[in-house]
Amino acid sequence: QKEVEQDPGPLSVPEGAIVSLNCTYSNSAFQYFMWYRQYSRKGPELLMYTYSSGNKEDGRFTAQVDKSSKYISLFIRDSQPSDSATYLCAMSYTNTGNQFYFGTGTSLTVIP
Amino acid sequence: NAGVTQTPKFRILKIGQSMTLQCTQDMNHNYMYWYRQDPGMGLKLIYYSVGAGITDKGEVPNGYNVSRSTTEDFPLRLELAAPSQTSVYFCASTPRTGELFFGEGSRLTVL
Repeated sequence: QKEVEQDPGPLSVPEGAIVSLNCTYSNSAFQYFMWYRQYSRKGPELLMYTYSSGNKEDGRFTAQVDKSSKYISLFIRDSQPSDSATYLCAMSYTNTGNQFYFGTGTSLTVIP
Repeated sequence: NAGVTQTPKFRILKIGQSMTLQCTQDMNHNYMYWYRQDPGMGLKLIYYSVGAGITDKGEVPNGYNVSRSTTEDFPLRLELAAPSQTSVYFCASTPRTGELFFGEGSRLTVL
């Protein structure tokens, strides 16, 4: 079983839709949860960073962590064509930056 | 700030050749990483370093070597290139907060 599972998509939505991206994980020791956005032929960039369970909101983006279900989500409200990218979830045991575990990424296209 | 800078951006190698991918960061981060990204496979950790003079293997280290003589630089060496090393390589760094900062990537093709 992989440490982190992520539906690869592809996901295609109309502009203005609410998007839900999800990851599940197997190791309950993960404490730090991240979402990265990767545009085509670019490096991943950090979008959201959360510690433990709960919600975190930043503009149109909301990250949700449910440690009891080992499930994390990223919601994008009022999606825009500029949100078209691959979204990678990542998690780690500590904040000392030793090792990160990545999902395989979900490809999202927002159609104008 | 330039952040994490990788060179070259593109390279074609013949089987058996060697090369070095360069990575420099100007954020004074102690932790640095090399990942490879293959289609549908996510990011795989090759090597990482927790500070100058200290390196350790990740998930897929075979066929690669690294060194960390300074805080800023973390080059990745490919010896005897093989077609299986065709990939996109990303260098990343982080302060102790755990937020990774990535370079733009180096696309390598081995023919």
